[in-house]
Amino acid sequence: GQQVMQIPQYQHVQEGEDFTTYCNSSTTLSNIQWYKQRPGGHPVFLIQLVKSGEVKKQKRLTFQFGEAKKNSSLHITATQTTDVGTYFCAPSGSARQLTFGSGTQLTVLP
Amino acid sequence: GAGVSQSPSNKVTEKGKDVELRCDPISGHTALYWYRQRLGQGLEFLIYFQGNSAPDKSGLPSDRFSAERTGESVSTLTIQRTQQEDSAVYLCASSFGQGRGEQYFGPGTRLTVT
Repeated sequence: GQQVMQIPQYQHVQEGEDFTTYCNSSTTLSNIQWYKQRPGGHPVFLIQLVKSGEVKKQKRLTFQFGEAKKNSSLHITATQTTDVGTYFCAPSGSARQLTFGSGTQLTVLP
Repeated sequence: GAGVSQSPSNKVTEKGKDVELRCDPISGHTALYWYRQRLGQGLEFLIYFQGNSAPDKSGLPSDRFSAERTGESVSTLTIQRTQQEDSAVYLCASSFGQGRGEQYFGPGTRLTVT
C-alpha cells in the first residue's frame, strides 16, 4: 500500500478555533479518502477526492487534494465539541488495498 | 443487512488459546478488509478479499493469523495460540471494491488476551 505521513498526531483546540490535518505521500495517489473515528467508535467515511486540485466542502469541513495528487488536507472551521475524534486519511494508489494514515486525534476544549 | 456486523463484540481469552472472529459484510460488497487497532493507535491492515481473487495477506503479522471468506459473504479471522500482544480491536470493513468508494466498518471485536 501507499506510505503516507499524517500530521499532526495530536491537536488540542479551543472550541471555535479552526483545525487542519495534513496527509502527505511521496508518490502520486489515485485518490484519497478521509474517515472520522469518534472515541470508542469505528471509522466512518467522510469523503473521497479523486481529481487533482479538487476541493470539497461539507458544512464546516473543507477537503483538498493537492495539484500533484501527493497530499491532502482536511480543515474544520470553528470547531465544535462534536468534532472530537481521530481523523484518518486513506490514500489509494496502485496497491489493491487502502493504507490508512496514523491519524490526527482532535480534542476540542469547551 | 443494514450494515457490517461482527461477532463477538468482546472476547476475553487466555494466552495460548485459539480465537475465531466473524464478519458479515454488507450484501453485494465484493471487497472485505480486516484491520487491527491497538489502543490509541491507527488502523493496521491485516488482509483483503476481493471477489474470487486470491486474498492480499501482506498485512498478517505472523503465521498464527489466518482468514477465510466464503464467496462474497461471511469472513472469519482466526488467531491461533493467542499472545498478549494480540489484544486489540479487530475491525472488519466492506466495500464495492478497491477504488470504488467508501469502506463501511463494523463495530469491531475487542479481544483481550490474559
